[in-house]
Amino acid sequence: QQQVKQSPQSLIVQKGGISIINCAYENTAFDYFPWYQQFPGKGPALLIAIRPDVSEKKEGRFTISFNKSAKQFSLHIMDSQPGDSATYFCAASIRGGSQGNLIFGKGTKLSVKP
Amino acid sequence: EPEVTQTPSHQVTQMGQEVILRCVPISNHLYFYWYRQILGQKVEFLVSFYNNEISEKSEIFDDQFSVERPDGSNFTLKIRSTKLEDSAMYFCASSESGLVGEYEQYFGPGTRLTVT
Repeated sequence: QQQVKQSPQSLIVQKGGISIINCAYENTAFDYFPWYQQFPGKGPALLIAIRPDVSEKKEGRFTISFNKSAKQFSLHIMDSQPGDSATYFCAASIRGGSQGNLIFGKGTKLSVKP
Repeated sequence: EPEVTQTPSHQVTQMGQEVILRCVPISNHLYFYWYRQILGQKVEFLVSFYNNEISEKSEIFDDQFSVERPDGSNFTLKIRSTKLEDSAMYFCASSESGLVGEYEQYFGPGTRLTVT
């Protein structure tokens, strides 16, 4: 019930390509779905987040797609750049709930080849 | 830009020893957190701290763990008697609000703890 399953574990994309990372959740009470980006030697940083009242949210080259009926959400990185190479974590929680309820996926290591 | 700092970056200790991991949260933040990530596993919440007391803790945070804010800037995680399974990356984080989605949590770079 409290799991967030993330795939793939690692991803290699050519520069200019589209990177897609998928996550699935089980708890239908979740209503806040953030993505975190982590560069080597740094802590995770909030990249973009979505609530289930919209199916898509876009910020620059980063887009979250959300499918409430399938209980899945995904991160799309358009025109992927070598600087996007990092580990990406999806997470899920109840908005307004305590921070301790933020459930993370296992992470996806993205490598963008020049 | 303000950032959360953590020391040391890597700590090696023997099983049964006590370790203290240190964090300096962002100065105007009121909520502080510890997470851990075992290699290849997900990031897991350990504890949150507000107003000089624990506000929430996970089942991982047993009696072997304690947190403290010994002064106005540091926030520490102590593991009294380390076990092999405590080997992980430990992240400190801080935020202005304790509510998910209200204010961003800022994470430090982590301390890699290796228990031998």
